[in-house]
Amino acid sequence: GQNIDQPTEMTATEGAIVQINCTYQTSGFNGLFWYQQHAGEAPTFLSYNVLDGLEEKGRFSSFLSRSKGYSYLLLKELQMKDSASYLCAVMDSNYQLIWGAGTKLIIKP
Amino acid sequence: IAGITQAPTSQILAAGRRMTLRCTQDMRHNAMYWYRQDLGLGLRLIHYSNTAGTTGKGEVPDGYSVSRANTDDFPLTLASAVPSQTSVYFCASSEGQGSTEAFFGQGTRLTVV
Repeated sequence: GQNIDQPTEMTATEGAIVQINCTYQTSGFNGLFWYQQHAGEAPTFLSYNVLDGLEEKGRFSSFLSRSKGYSYLLLKELQMKDSASYLCAVMDSNYQLIWGAGTKLIIKP
Repeated sequence: IAGITQAPTSQILAAGRRMTLRCTQDMRHNAMYWYRQDLGLGLRLIHYSNTAGTTGKGEVPDGYSVSRANTDDFPLTLASAVPSQTSVYFCASSEGQGSTEAFFGQGTRLTVV
């Protein structure tokens, strides 16, 4: 079966760095996505990785290792507004997104 | 402002009733999707449409139907609602199948009692 695993909840301090991990087992691979979802709101796109390595976009970076079925989202200089759920998703061989349950990130002052 | 709009934003529905959730996008995207989001579970695909006039079943299609008469609209119908369909429903769109970014509506919170 297809499976996306990520931690349920993480806590970090304002100004610090946090890494959210995601492991996956899917039927085929056409890219890995990270979305941010604030409570009660819609998911919004953060990043897309299809090749191994690190993609940096401002304070956020996303890493992919296809051989290990592993990705992480790195958030630097954490701000209170980064408190949200972070959703990992993989596009399978049918070009459908398989979603993890999300990681709720709590930022403390 | 371009985007994707869902209606209603929330609804309480009696079991056995029929309900249509509306979704409209003005980005001229070819692909549209309906997901449900339940606590502790990832977004699960209900139905999708890769282009106007075509639809397909996702992971959890039972009890739901969709239509795609034109590019902009993608309504989701619950023929006879049951309590297990209590969920938050998100409509999304992307330029095409396999696009690298999907845009989501604000969601419809549905409670079936």
